[in-house]
Amino acid sequence: GESVGLHLPTLSVQEGDNSIINCAYSNSASDYFIWYKQESGKGPQFIIDIRSNMDKRQGQRVTVLLNKTVKHLSLQIAATQPGDSAVYFCAENIPPSNTGKLIFGQGTTLQVKP
Amino acid sequence: DAGVIQSPRHEVTEMGQEVTLRCKPISGHNSLFWYRQTMMRGLELLIYFNNNVPIDDSGMPEDRFSAKMPNASFSTLKIQPSEPRDSAVYFCASSGGNQPQHFGDGTRLSIL
Repeated sequence: GESVGLHLPTLSVQEGDNSIINCAYSNSASDYFIWYKQESGKGPQFIIDIRSNMDKRQGQRVTVLLNKTVKHLSLQIAATQPGDSAVYFCAENIPPSNTGKLIFGQGTTLQVKP
Repeated sequence: DAGVIQSPRHEVTEMGQEVTLRCKPISGHNSLFWYRQTMMRGLELLIYFNNNVPIDDSGMPEDRFSAKMPNASFSTLKIQPSEPRDSAVYFCASSGGNQPQHFGDGTRLSIL
């Protein structure tokens, strides 16, 4: 029979534009959030994290925004480059935070057009 | 710095055979995680260890799966007997303190 896989949302952007990838998380008690990037044939790679006592954190070309009211997380990538093409996952840590156990979202595919 | 090291990178075997996946965490990390990634279910946590002790194995699919961590620098995930539906990419990750998890590049397992 036909197999049905996860249909990952896809975001297609032009090189040089800004990208915004969104994530809805599940548990209002989650206190720590991470964005990972996964390229083909590789494991997820840490990009940026944020704790629940913050609503914004910036890295190099990336910004994470946290809206606890609506349980929403976003990753903004400035001046998107072809090397940014990958699948992006958000992950949440459900307390107690010292366990390190993460729950991953399904992922969003980012395609950068040259 | 060496990251998380997994072996083998690829494994193809026939159903019914025993499969052993290996992981060397980052030195100094005290938590180790095993994940499975498939198109159907995405990235799923199978089991994790803290200071070599299994803490939560609720994600292990069934008794055919077992994991061990005999010391701080080595862990195995074993499937016996293997079945075609076990075909997936298996990832190991490690973390230390309140730091984010770092992943290896995975083992792509195909059960024929």
